[in-house]
Amino acid sequence: DADVTQTPRNRITKTGKRIMLECSQTKGHDRMYWYRQDPGLGLQLIYYSFDVKDINKGEISDGYSVSRQAQAKFSLSLESAIPNQTALYFCATSDPKVSNTGELFFGEGSRLTVL
Amino acid sequence: AQSVTQLGSHVSVSEGALVLLRCNYSSSVPPYLFWYVQYPNQGLQLLLKYTTGATLVKGINGFEAEFKKSETSFHLTKPSAHMSDAAEYFCAVSESVGFKTIFGAGTRLFVKA
Repeated sequence: DADVTQTPRNRITKTGKRIMLECSQTKGHDRMYWYRQDPGLGLQLIYYSFDVKDINKGEISDGYSVSRQAQAKFSLSLESAIPNQTALYFCATSDPKVSNTGELFFGEGSRLTVL
Repeated sequence: AQSVTQLGSHVSVSEGALVLLRCNYSSSVPPYLFWYVQYPNQGLQLLLKYTTGATLVKGINGFEAEFKKSETSFHLTKPSAHMSDAAEYFCAVSESVGFKTIFGAGTRLFVKA
C-alpha cells in the first residue's frame, strides 16, 4: 500500500457542488501539504499544516479550506467548485525529524474536473 | 522570496544522448535544492537533493546535478538517455525555515528511439 493515499483519484463534478479530497498517510510525518498542479505552472501550494493544531494558507488558498482531523489525515474542501479549479491535486508529507531539508513525499494525485 | 525558473517546458533527446535540464533559482538564504520526477499518472518522487557540502549531487537512475552558487543554478544531467527517462521533471527550492517548497513550472522530457 502507498504511504500517502489520496481519495478519490478521479472526480467529475458540477459548478457549485461541494467537494472533499482526502489524504491519509502511514509515514508518521507531522507536516502535510496540499498542492495544485496545472500544466505550465508547476505545483502551487494551497494549504499546509505542521501539526494537528497548525493550519496555514499557501499561495493560492482562496476558494479552498482544509481540515487536519488527525496527524495522519488532511482533507481539502472546495465549498462551491468552479471550472477554474479543474486541476490535479497532490497531498504531500514531510518531517524535520526524518529529513531537515524539507523533502516531500507525495500521494498519487486526485484529478478533479469541474464542469 | 524564493523562486524557481526552469528553462524549456519541453526537451526532446534521442536515446543515448546527453540529457540537460536547466534550473535557476532565487533565494535570500542558502537554499535546499531538489529535483523531482513525475512519471505518467503518478505522484512526484525525489530524484536528488542538494543540502550542503559537495556541489555535485548524484541521484537515482544515473542522474546528477551541480549546485553553482555564483550562477544560482542547479542543472540536471544524465550522460545517456533511456526511453524510461521520459517524464516530467520539477526543480524545487526550500529554505531552512518553514520548509515551504517552491516548484518550477516543470520540464517534460521526451526520449526518441
